[in-house]
Amino acid sequence: AQKVTQAQTEISVVEKEDVTLDCVYETRDTTYYLFWYKQPPSGELVFLIRRNSFDEQNEISGRYSWNFQKSTSSFNFTITASQVVDSAVYFCALSEAKSTGNQFYFGTGTSLTVIP
Amino acid sequence: NAGVTQTPKFRILKIGQSMTLQCAQDMNHNYMYWYRQDPGMGLKLIYYSVGAGITDKGEVPNGYNVSRSTTEDFPLRLELAAPSQTSVYFCASSRDLQGARQPQHFGDGTRLSIL
Repeated sequence: AQKVTQAQTEISVVEKEDVTLDCVYETRDTTYYLFWYKQPPSGELVFLIRRNSFDEQNEISGRYSWNFQKSTSSFNFTITASQVVDSAVYFCALSEAKSTGNQFYFGTGTSLTVIP
Repeated sequence: NAGVTQTPKFRILKIGQSMTLQCAQDMNHNYMYWYRQDPGMGLKLIYYSVGAGITDKGEVPNGYNVSRSTTEDFPLRLELAAPSQTSVYFCASSRDLQGARQPQHFGDGTRLSIL
């Protein structure tokens, strides 16, 4: 079973539009961490945000905002007033502790294209 | 700061060849990780290390080996390259496990093709 689901494979928006990237996760742990990473066309991975399971407070960082809802196991990411430079693949990830060691699961990514 | 450095950036191997992907970090991080990213997919954890001399399997360890003789270096070895190992490999490091309080820092990736 997929631990992290990003149902949107590709999204295209026109510059200055708002866009929300969905992330649904699955875990039985009470302590876990959620992440968003950006992978621009150049290929490197850029850390955006990390959330622990005990902090459901939404966060805003400039044009980026994140909505964490444990009740629906979702950790959605919104870009306000999108820009061409936001074009990238965005990955949601889950980190949970196991008796055999910690595991880190990535979603399959959402490819965002911002059209000028 | 160099951060996490991976070498080589690109490599083509023949089936059955072996090679070592190098990863070095200069941030004195205890935790290091190897991931693979298949086309159109997310990252899968291959191996990780919580400190020098200590390694553990991730989600997809088969066909790979790692060692961690120093804090700085975490090489990934492919002993008998197979086409299924064609992928982009990312090395990462973090101050605490799985970036719980500090984020993971990623290298630029190694693009490996097995023909």
